[in-house]
Amino acid sequence: SQTIHQWPATLVQPVGSPLSLECTVEGTSNPNLYWYRQAAGRGLQLLFYSVGIGQISSEVPQNLSASRPQDRQFILSSKKLLLSDSGFYLCAFPGTGGREAFFGQGTRLTVV
Amino acid sequence: GENVEQHPSTLSVQEGDSAVIKCTYSDSASNYFPWYKQELGKGPQLIIDIRSNVGEKKDQRIAVTLNKTAKHFSLHITETQPEDSAVYFCAASIAEKLVFGKGTKLTVNP
Repeated sequence: SQTIHQWPATLVQPVGSPLSLECTVEGTSNPNLYWYRQAAGRGLQLLFYSVGIGQISSEVPQNLSASRPQDRQFILSSKKLLLSDSGFYLCAFPGTGGREAFFGQGTRLTVV
Repeated sequence: GENVEQHPSTLSVQEGDSAVIKCTYSDSASNYFPWYKQELGKGPQLIIDIRSNVGEKKDQRIAVTLNKTAKHFSLHITETQPEDSAVYFCAASIAEKLVFGKGTKLTVNP
């Protein structure tokens, strides 16, 4: 079965510190992978998506970057966090229908 | 690009009543419309979806309707239960990307 793992579940980081969030999927090969951010009281905003190893598309200009070093691994990074980077970060990939998104459990990031 | 509007932002109903959440989209090329339920502290989970060649789809107490001409789609929950309380998101798919509405916080009062 297809599963998606995201960690850590919660993270508190000081302003200016680096960030690395990891997402891995199992039970599928060469999936499209997505990073979303959900700010408090807001919808889900697509940050990055990847159609393959080393292929990253950015949806919005921001302080974050993404990388896909392996087929089933997607990493969200920042060199220096800003207060505005706080939010709930979700990794996702398409289900068997190829259109719906299956989400990880998310990482709650608080930048202090 | 695609824009999805969702209403209402909050909805409170009595247990047993029906709840309706509505969404509109802007890009007529969108052809897939999923609905997600998000419980506190968790990632969203797909509850029902509809494709543009279908006008209505039902799964037990949940149904979704789509009006392509008007570019709007709705989620209907009948006989609501307290465990239906959550945030619900609609989305529209164009190409490989989903564009989400801002969510509706549904509260079902016992």
